[in-house]
Amino acid sequence: GAVVSQHPSRVICKSGTSVKIECRSLDFQATTMFWYRQFPKQSLMLMATSNEGSKATYEQGVEKDKFLINHASLTLSTLTVTSAHPEDSSFYICSASDEPGLGETQYFGPGTRLLVL
Amino acid sequence: GEDVEQSLFLSVREGDSSVINCTYTDSSSTYLYWYKQEPGAGLQLLTYIFSNMDMKQDQRLTVLLNKKDKHLSLRIADTQTGDSAIYFCAESILDSGYALNFGKGTSLLVTP
Repeated sequence: GAVVSQHPSRVICKSGTSVKIECRSLDFQATTMFWYRQFPKQSLMLMATSNEGSKATYEQGVEKDKFLINHASLTLSTLTVTSAHPEDSSFYICSASDEPGLGETQYFGPGTRLLVL
Repeated sequence: GEDVEQSLFLSVREGDSSVINCTYTDSSSTYLYWYKQEPGAGLQLLTYIFSNMDMKQDQRLTVLLNKKDKHLSLRIADTQTGDSAIYFCAESILDSGYALNFGKGTSLLVTP
């Protein structure tokens, strides 16, 4: 199946710094990428949907100025957590799709664990 | 989105069948999914079912879909200790570009 990578897999940063997480589709062109967040022992919550070349659509309650999403190419989307605080510590997972809505065509990355001290 | 409901815990003995239940919310979902997550790991797609089907079998896994009641179940036959993990059901949401709305997950513990 298709492969989606995320980098870094883990990051620890100080409060107030910004952290960039990359999501890459390695062997297909992803017209749509999704960003999810998972707090410990909880489910994945959709943060935003990004389509290549256009602005991301954020879910209610997700601050677009804090979580900057860029989907500049068909194989790369980035999520930047600006001025991170301890409450932003979470597991961030992206998924990529070339045909959203069709069965198994949404592929998940391995996730990035963020710890803000 | 609205809540996709799952029971939180299930414990079974090795060799028995496990049945994990889920109630979803969006009657227009075209696909419904089951994912597995092991501790500290990402998501593994186990299986999915198209909304016009009522059953799908894939080796030890059987998915049943009751569209009228918006009820989805996953049956794992001959459950093994390696099946211990958290299982998430998910529905695709048309209004979010087919992003997935996940349940809270069912923690399956398989005892020897």
